[in-house]
Amino acid sequence: AQKVTQAQTEISVVEKEDVTLDCVYETRDTTYYLFWYKQPPSGELVFLIRRNSFDEQNEISGRYSWNFQKSTSSFNFTITASQVVDSAVYFCALSESPYSGGGADGLTFGKGTHLIIQP
Amino acid sequence: GAVVSQHPSRVICKSGTSVKIECRSLDFQATTMFWYRQFPKQSLMLMATSNEGSKATYEQGVEKDKFLINHASLTLSTLTVTSAHPEDSSFYICSARDIRRSSYNEQFFGPGTRLTVL
Repeated sequence: AQKVTQAQTEISVVEKEDVTLDCVYETRDTTYYLFWYKQPPSGELVFLIRRNSFDEQNEISGRYSWNFQKSTSSFNFTITASQVVDSAVYFCALSESPYSGGGADGLTFGKGTHLIIQP
Repeated sequence: GAVVSQHPSRVICKSGTSVKIECRSLDFQATTMFWYRQFPKQSLMLMATSNEGSKATYEQGVEKDKFLINHASLTLSTLTVTSAHPEDSSFYICSARDIRRSSYNEQFFGPGTRLTVL
């Protein structure tokens, strides 16, 4: 069974601070995909990144960066120089490969981290 | 590209009525669509996987007779909440997997439908 744990329920920082959102996952599959989504108050999910299990390279996109560590089953997300517009709920998610045969290729989401950026 | 729409975006109905929610992939074909439910301040939970031309696969604990799913074409899946009750009030979100990029399990999410049952 898959599981995604986001231990931080809520984080509040002052604008311009750096903030890291933690994500720990569990899966028995050797091929899997990890995702991060942003959910603003409107409710619509905004895709941020997808990472497959064979690609452990860290990624940077502007103020966003992701640290994927298979050894610790973690896929953490850092926002540098946070801004008020970053305030939202952030979800980490996991799916197995569609070809794994297990059929469980819907996404398993963590409980989400509510990020509050104060001006 | 890769736009998924949902209709309606918001619906309020009386207890006992049925509500149909549509999920459409606008610019790609999707053999597989997924339906999720999100209660207030909670995470998204997968309800069912909808495959074009075949029966949907429901997650444990989801009543298939209550949540009817029809995936009649490569661009449309519908979720019907039958005999809705207040406890069915939730945010329903669909996603669609692009048939051309299925190996990456890349799913595109719709904007969601907020259902309120009085």
